[in-house]
Amino acid sequence: NAGVTQTPKFQVLKTGQSMTLQCAQDMNHNSMYWYRQDPGMGLRLIYYSASEGTTDKGEVPNGYNVSRLNKREFSLRLESAAPSQTSVYFCASSELSGTLFYGYTFGSGTRLTVV
Amino acid sequence: GNSVTQMEGPVTLSEEAFLTINCTYTATGYPSLFWYVQYPGEGLQLLLKATKADDKGSNKGFEATYRKETTSFHLEKGSVQVSDSAVYFCALQGSGAGSYQLTFGKGTKLSVIP
Repeated sequence: NAGVTQTPKFQVLKTGQSMTLQCAQDMNHNSMYWYRQDPGMGLRLIYYSASEGTTDKGEVPNGYNVSRLNKREFSLRLESAAPSQTSVYFCASSELSGTLFYGYTFGSGTRLTVV
Repeated sequence: GNSVTQMEGPVTLSEEAFLTINCTYTATGYPSLFWYVQYPGEGLQLLLKATKADDKGSNKGFEATYRKETTSFHLEKGSVQVSDSAVYFCALQGSGAGSYQLTFGKGTKLSVIP
C-alpha cells in the first residue's frame, strides 16, 4: 500500500548508544517531518524538510540530526541516546501544490525506549 | 504565531452518546482546519478537513464546521461506538510562509464504554 513506512517499529537502546530511524514515502511528496509524541505533550516537531536538499529545525531538535537522503527518504539520527528521548516517533509527509494541501500522511511510528 | 487549543481529556462516554470535542485556533489569514484520529498503537489518520469559513467537513459520522467568527472547529458525532475510542487531534494549516506545515493541538483521548 502507498504511504509512509517507518523502521524499526520498536527499539530499546542503552544510554549513550546511537541509532538511525528510517522513513520512506512513495507518494512523491516534497515535504517530510519528524515528530515525537509523549503523554500529555501532544506532537512536537523535531525536524522537517520542506523539499529535497533542505532541512530545518523544529520545536525540539536538540539531541537529533536528520538527513534527507533523496525525495523519498528522511532519516532521524540519535547520536548519543538519553532516557529523555524515550518516546514514540512519527514520520510524516505532505505536498503543497499551488493552493492545494491535503494534510499529512503519517507512518505507524517507532516506539523507542532508552534505558 | 499559529496555535490550536483542544479541550483536555480524557473523555469517557457510553455507547450511543453524543460527542463534542472543542477546538479553537489562533492564526492570521485564512487557515485550513483538520481533525486527525489516532487509534491505539497506530499513527495519525486524517478524519476530516475544511478549507474555508462555514465549510463542514464530515467522515464516518463525524462532523466539524469551520466557524471563523468564533475561531472554532469543534468535532461532533451523534452516536459514538466503542470503535471510536481513540485520540483526536485538531490541526491547522496556516497561510503564507511555511503554509505546508500543520500546527497540532495536544490531542483529546476518547474512551467509549459499552
